[in-house]
Amino acid sequence: GIQVEQSPPDLILQEGANSTLRCNFSDSVNNLQWFHQNPWGQLINLFYIPSGTKQNGRLSATTVATERYSLLYISSSQTTDSGVYFCAVGTGGSYIPTFGRGTSLIVHP
Amino acid sequence: NAGVMQNPRHLVRRRGQEARLRCSPMKGHSHVYWYRQLPEEGLKFMVYLQKENIIDESGMPKERFSAEFPKEGPSILRIQQVVRGDSAAYFCASSLSGAEAFFGQGTRLTVV
Repeated sequence: GIQVEQSPPDLILQEGANSTLRCNFSDSVNNLQWFHQNPWGQLINLFYIPSGTKQNGRLSATTVATERYSLLYISSSQTTDSGVYFCAVGTGGSYIPTFGRGTSLIVHP
Repeated sequence: NAGVMQNPRHLVRRRGQEARLRCSPMKGHSHVYWYRQLPEEGLKFMVYLQKENIIDESGMPKERFSAEFPKEGPSILRIQQVVRGDSAAYFCASSLSGAEAFFGQGTRLTVV
């Protein structure tokens, strides 16, 4: 099956810093999502982005499907951004999200 | 529009008992997915269902685990004769047309 690798595995930031999270995948995809799992365990949809660029406030994402990667940008990070960020991809006719292992982000005040 | 609803949020079972986890998808969604998450790990796919049909159960253990999504009512993930290794967070997701998936808040199963 498709392999999804996320980097870095861990990230520690001071409030106000910017960061870039990366998701590499081993095959062509027709679905890609970014999620934030907050410290209470809830999975929050950030972006549905099989290709192109999207922005939502301080967050933006870019997927370059032909080169098999996606990037999540967090600007002016806040303590509430802490948690684990997951990339999930799907390929083929049926979208079954396959998750990477995530990037664990801690933002210090 | 209510999100994906899972219940119970927390479930404690003794070894050998049965666990039933429920998932009500978002309104109008006919695709349901179940995932398991162990501490400090990502989400592992278990099963993908559409109304009354199991589409893909390649991630489901062959014994003790079953899932259904009946014509009426929530999707059910059933674990028979639970063991301590079944302790985990179980997440359900739904989608409208097999594209963007939305997750519930999960059920934390503890086997004692």
